Amino acid sequence: KNEVEQSPQNLTAQEGEFITINCSYSVGISALHWLQQHPGGGIVSLFMLSSGKKKHGRLIATINIQEKHSSLHITASHPRDSAVYICAAGLQGAQKLVFGQGTRLTINP
Amino acid sequence: KAGVTQTPRYLIKTRGQQVTLSCSPISGHRSVSWYQQTPGQGLQFLFEYFSETQRNKGNFPGRFSGRQFSNSRSEMNVSTLELGDSALYLCASSLGRGPVSMNTEAFFGQGTRLTVV
Repeated sequence: KNEVEQSPQNLTAQEGEFITINCSYSVGISALHWLQQHPGGGIVSLFMLSSGKKKHGRLIATINIQEKHSSLHITASHPRDSAVYICAAGLQGAQKLVFGQGTRLTINP
Repeated sequence: KAGVTQTPRYLIKTRGQQVTLSCSPISGHRSVSWYQQTPGQGLQFLFEYFSETQRNKGNFPGRFSGRQFSNSRSEMNVSTLELGDSALYLCASSLGRGPVSMNTEAFFGQGTRLTVV
């Protein structure tokens, strides 16, 4: 079992829908990162959080340390949100990032 | 402020050859980490450098090596290339004094897509 699990692996939705992507991890972490990867490969860091909730525009990230679970929400989704979303856990003690397999999101107009 | 720059963007090499990839971090960032991304394995950590010292290394064979220069630019080298080394290689830099994972935001480059034939 991977240390970081994401779900779903693929998600297709209509423009305007509320999107939720989940990330569960099985080890202690120092921080949880949410990343966005567009076709072509470039990765953009969306959030880094170790507790609570962060919001940036239409994006919201939450983390529950006790349950070892984080969610990324997108409100009023738009076709330009289509990308692969990756969660990455900064492992305590290991000093490295471990990545989930990614969620491929497609928003249809 | 310029972002993280990786060169070259695309590379085709033959099995058995060696390759060097370059990463220039954001100005002022001293921590640089490298990752390999393949369709089968996803993103995997290769190694991390801070102030010219390798701080951590992932589970990759010794054919994969790297270094960091005094200006924080980093290079990674893969010797005796194998077909399975075909991947997108990404580097990330961060401002923190410690590794990328320690509560510091990571800024990624566009990656170098390596194809081994």
